[in-house]
Amino acid sequence: TQLLEQSPQFLSIQEGENLTVYCNSSSVFSSLQWYRQEPGEGPVLLVTVVTGGEVKKLKRLTFQFGDARKDSSLHITAAQPGDTGLYLCAGERGATNKLIFGTGTLLAVQP
Amino acid sequence: GAVVSQHPSWVICKSGTSVKIECRSLDFQATTMFWYRQFPKQSLMLMATSNEGSKATYEQGVEKDKFLINHASLTLSTLTVTSAHPEDSSFYICSGASGYNEQFFGPGTRLTVL
Repeated sequence: TQLLEQSPQFLSIQEGENLTVYCNSSSVFSSLQWYRQEPGEGPVLLVTVVTGGEVKKLKRLTFQFGDARKDSSLHITAAQPGDTGLYLCAGERGATNKLIFGTGTLLAVQP
Repeated sequence: GAVVSQHPSWVICKSGTSVKIECRSLDFQATTMFWYRQFPKQSLMLMATSNEGSKATYEQGVEKDKFLINHASLTLSTLTVTSAHPEDSSFYICSGASGYNEQFFGPGTRLTVL
């Protein structure tokens, strides 16, 4: 059972467009992380959000944690080909340090 | 950030043989290491959690006798896929964490079983 559902699963856009990826769950998480993974490599941490309603910005990326800490979103402004990759959200339940990964969103940005 | 390495980066083996994958934390002590499996274009699925010096804790549905995990030191964990079969072909990724801190991921190992 996948506890974290991401949408969309696949997204192909043109350079310069904006996009939003959603990560939804019926479970509450103590923290939520977003990763980007390129083919044949391990995931790389982008951000960790901890507080309900928290918004974090990383250059053109904006991350938001839902008020109830059950969902999150990643918004990318003016996407570039270098943003291409698999975006994964991952939630931590309690203080276990175990991560439950979302279903993933494969993003392709065409030049 | 901290660095985790995996060896080998890719391996091809015959069905029925065993394969060992190493995961090393290079510049920190990983009190906990995690092993994940990832099928093409899918997400990471946690297989097991290992604490240094203790037996690994396996997730539901993961056969502990097939996927042997050893975490003998604070910088090394190994995953042995015993009697590998084609359905075990996957991308295996490890991560290390010091205490309840951020996990640092290795680059992954591509296993292909013929």
